[in-house]
Amino acid sequence: DAGVIQSPRHEVTEMGQEVTLRCKPISGHDYLFWYRQTMMRGLELLIYFNNNVPIDDSGMPEDRFSAKMPNASFSTLKIQPSEPRDSAVYFCASSFATDYEQYFGPGTRLTVT
Amino acid sequence: EDKVVQSPLSLVVHEGDTVTLNCSYEVTNFRSLLWYKQEKKAPTFLFMLTSSGIEKKSGRLSSILDKKELSSILNITATQTGDSAIYLCAVEARDNNDMRFGAGTRLTVKP
Repeated sequence: DAGVIQSPRHEVTEMGQEVTLRCKPISGHDYLFWYRQTMMRGLELLIYFNNNVPIDDSGMPEDRFSAKMPNASFSTLKIQPSEPRDSAVYFCASSFATDYEQYFGPGTRLTVT
Repeated sequence: EDKVVQSPLSLVVHEGDTVTLNCSYEVTNFRSLLWYKQEKKAPTFLFMLTSSGIEKKSGRLSSILDKKELSSILNITATQTGDSAIYLCAVEARDNNDMRFGAGTRLTVKP
């Protein structure tokens, strides 16, 4: 298996633009997690899905953020409109269960100017 | 390509035992190495190491970085059942701030 795949690896956009981050989990994993990593706040859980259904989105910063998982092999995290404070590395991870090892993707580095 | 390798993948011990978890890395322009504890959902931060040879301690947990060997160890003394978790190691690169995670070590502490 290629592991968790994220795209793009780097994204630079202007404030106000819509940004879509993509994730392909490891086949067979029922859980998918979206995280944001910044120097100031460290690693933050934004949302996680079980069998494509969002279970806990309490970590989503505000309404500008939305996440979907239309099928077992694909998820998106969308920011609309983007702001400079959204600049961070966004990680996607997948696992068999919440207390199983989470396999992290390489991350998407987002820069909003 | 950058990579982070943790060992062992899993470990079963009894309460009171001391454990040592390993993390080795190959990262261009190393900035820091981080240890996390994952019990449910999100990993919680344990340590960040940037300098070689300086031990960081928090209660029964301690960690040290060896930049020459490109590795770090996480020690847990007098283990308790509450230490049962997956311990993740991640390495940050300096130039692009990219972070790469290891696959984790699953620690089970039996009473």
